Amino acid sequence: GAVVSQHPSRVICKSGTSVKIECRSLDFQATTMFWYRQFPKQSLMLMATSNEGSKATYEQGVEKDKFLINHASLTLSTLTVTSAHPEDSSFYICSARPGQGAGETQYFGPGTRLLVL
Amino acid sequence: AQKITQTQPGMFVQEKEAVTLDCTYDTSDPSYGLFWYKQPSSGEMIFLIYQGSYDQQNATEGRYSLNFQKARKSANLVISASQLGDSAMYFCAMRGGLSAGGFKTIFGAGTRLFVKA
Repeated sequence: GAVVSQHPSRVICKSGTSVKIECRSLDFQATTMFWYRQFPKQSLMLMATSNEGSKATYEQGVEKDKFLINHASLTLSTLTVTSAHPEDSSFYICSARPGQGAGETQYFGPGTRLLVL
Repeated sequence: AQKITQTQPGMFVQEKEAVTLDCTYDTSDPSYGLFWYKQPSSGEMIFLIYQGSYDQQNATEGRYSLNFQKARKSANLVISASQLGDSAMYFCAMRGGLSAGGFKTIFGAGTRLFVKA
C-alpha cells in the first residue's frame, strides 16, 4: 500500500512552454502534498506544501507565479512550471502525507525529470 | 537563521553492524521537527523517521532510531544491523516552527552510506 505516482517520469520541452506534472496517491487520501526539487548530485529543496482545497504554501524564494500548484482532490496534486527556462531543468519530486493517524509519515513519488531546451 | 549540517559526505559500514549518521542543526525556533530520508540509487525518496522538538523520547522506527540531543542540537540517525539494501544517500532535514515568514524546511547535504558484505 501507500503508493504515490508521478506523471510524466521524464519530459523534455522547449524554452517558453509550460509543463504540468501530476502527483497521485493511488491507495490513500492525502490531506497534504509536498513538492520538492533536486538538482543533480545535490540535496533537496522543498518548494511548496499544498493542502486539499486550499492555496499552496510556498517556501521562501520560490516563485508562486512560475510554479503553479493545484491540489484539487485528496488524491491529486499538480505542479505546472510556467514559461519554462533551461534553469528550471531539474528533478521534481512529490510526496503525500495521509490524514490523521499517520503522523509525519509521507510517501514519495518516483520523481519527474524535466529538461528544458 | 536555520541551518542543517551533515559532516560526513560518505560512510562505510560492515553488514550487520550498526552505524550512526550525524546531523546537527541550528534554529531559534522553540518548536521544530527533524526528519531523516533515504534515497537509494533508483532516486525514489523514502521517509524514515521524524522527531518533534518537544517529544520526550527518541523516535524509533524498526531498525532506525533518532538520537536526539536537544542541548547539543544534534539529531543523529542510528541504523542497527545494517543490510546491503541500506546503501543509499541519507538526508537530514528540519522544519522550523511558525516564525516570521512561516514554516521553512531545509535539508542537509546528505551522507552516502556504503554497506560492505
